[in-house]
Amino acid sequence: NAGVTQTPKFQVLKTGQSMTLQCAQDMNHEYMSWYRQDPGMGLRLIHYSVGAGITDQGEVPNGYNVSRSTTEDFPLRLLSAAPSQTSVYFCASSYSAGTGNSPLHFGNGTRLTVT
Amino acid sequence: TQLLEQSPQFLSIQEGENLTVYCNSSSVFSSLQWYRQEPGEGPVLLVTVVTGGEVKKLKRLTFQFGDARKDSSLHITAAQPGDTGLYLCAGANFNKFYFGSGTKLNVKP
Repeated sequence: NAGVTQTPKFQVLKTGQSMTLQCAQDMNHEYMSWYRQDPGMGLRLIHYSVGAGITDQGEVPNGYNVSRSTTEDFPLRLLSAAPSQTSVYFCASSYSAGTGNSPLHFGNGTRLTVT
Repeated sequence: TQLLEQSPQFLSIQEGENLTVYCNSSSVFSSLQWYRQEPGEGPVLLVTVVTGGEVKKLKRLTFQFGDARKDSSLHITAAQPGDTGLYLCAGANFNKFYFGSGTKLNVKP
């Protein structure tokens, strides 16, 4: 049972380039979400989805796009990378979010550097 | 805006000592979760507390949710080197999780 799989593990981009961070889960979870983790800032919610075809913005959505065409996949797109987007990105899924009674299952992260 | 404030930010103690980590907010949450994160990995859930005043024990770890559901604490008794890691609290409301900035714990043998 793979859980939440994120690819790639590391990525270096030049300013202005675009790329997609992949996230897939095999637990049939309805809720999926993307976070960025910066030193001293904890994890901040970028975008989330409560089911296929439904997405919504989190705390820091600017510069990022998401889509949810299937239950399993939730890719995060950087449209035009900026140095401020240098961070570690985590994807997480949950059986349901709602009140937060279900735990978040995290992938192992993608370390992105924008030069 | 950091909805959840964690303290202390860093903690370095000797094996066998006790410690408490605090997670405070001005917002009310429907539940609060504690996670532990190892370097190079994603956070892993330790516990979820949902009722104001709730206390949960997990071996040497004791978690408490404040009566008003705005704050929480994590107490570790007789810390061991295996407890070393980053501890994160997370409050949940309306499909969104808000994380604290984390407490980096180092337990020296």
